[in-house]
Amino acid sequence: QSALTQPASVSGSPGQSITISCTGTSSDVGGYRYISWYQHHPGKAPRLMIYDVSNRPSGVSNRFSGSKSGNTASLTISGLQAEDEADYYCSSYTSSTTWVFGGGTKLTVL
Amino acid sequence: EVQLVESGGGLVQPGGSLKLSCVASGFTFSASVMHWVRQAPGKGLEWVGRVRNKANSYATTYAASVKGRITISREDSKNTAYLEMNSLKTEDTAVYYCTYIPPGYWYFDLWGRGTLITVSS
Repeated sequence: QSALTQPASVSGSPGQSITISCTGTSSDVGGYRYISWYQHHPGKAPRLMIYDVSNRPSGVSNRFSGSKSGNTASLTISGLQAEDEADYYCSSYTSSTTWVFGGGTKLTVL
Repeated sequence: EVQLVESGGGLVQPGGSLKLSCVASGFTFSASVMHWVRQAPGKGLEWVGRVRNKANSYATTYAASVKGRITISREDSKNTAYLEMNSLKTEDTAVYYCTYIPPGYWYFDLWGRGTLITVSS
């Protein structure tokens, strides 16, 4: 199972919006709504930010939103804040009854 | 407090074995599906495998990259999940995270802070 494709890095200024893409295949991203996104600050535990494509867990800011079209899912962060700077990973359930992650995207808040 | 705490990492020689533990608290461990995910130095997250709950006969599924070399198990009476790794290779060097999926869902709800396995001679 190949890793999902994410851009290695994205950046934005405080207050701006950014979008991180996550591209897979019809056997993972395109075939299921079980897409989730995780925020990871190095040295800490990853944190769930979005699940089932577009749902936010309680406690996650509504500045975070998710969507999917075909084999590509997206995470959008609006009103960027310094605390958003982290690595972000997408994940999908697959037709092989396994899970797969994206390669990760480093978000820099300028 | 809802948390997962991993332990058991360390330095091991190539070809060696190691068993990690993950102690859970604050949620219904016995109903949850427990997973392990790893992150090699400078790399992204990689799903390693899972053990389902009693209702699903504690069935396991593993990533192709580790299948045949690992065993994931659980002990519900101790709220603990395990990852046993054999025939370790240098490329198994990584931080290993324990995480879980609540019953009926498909996302990793909570993660531990991880434990580091270094495979080196």
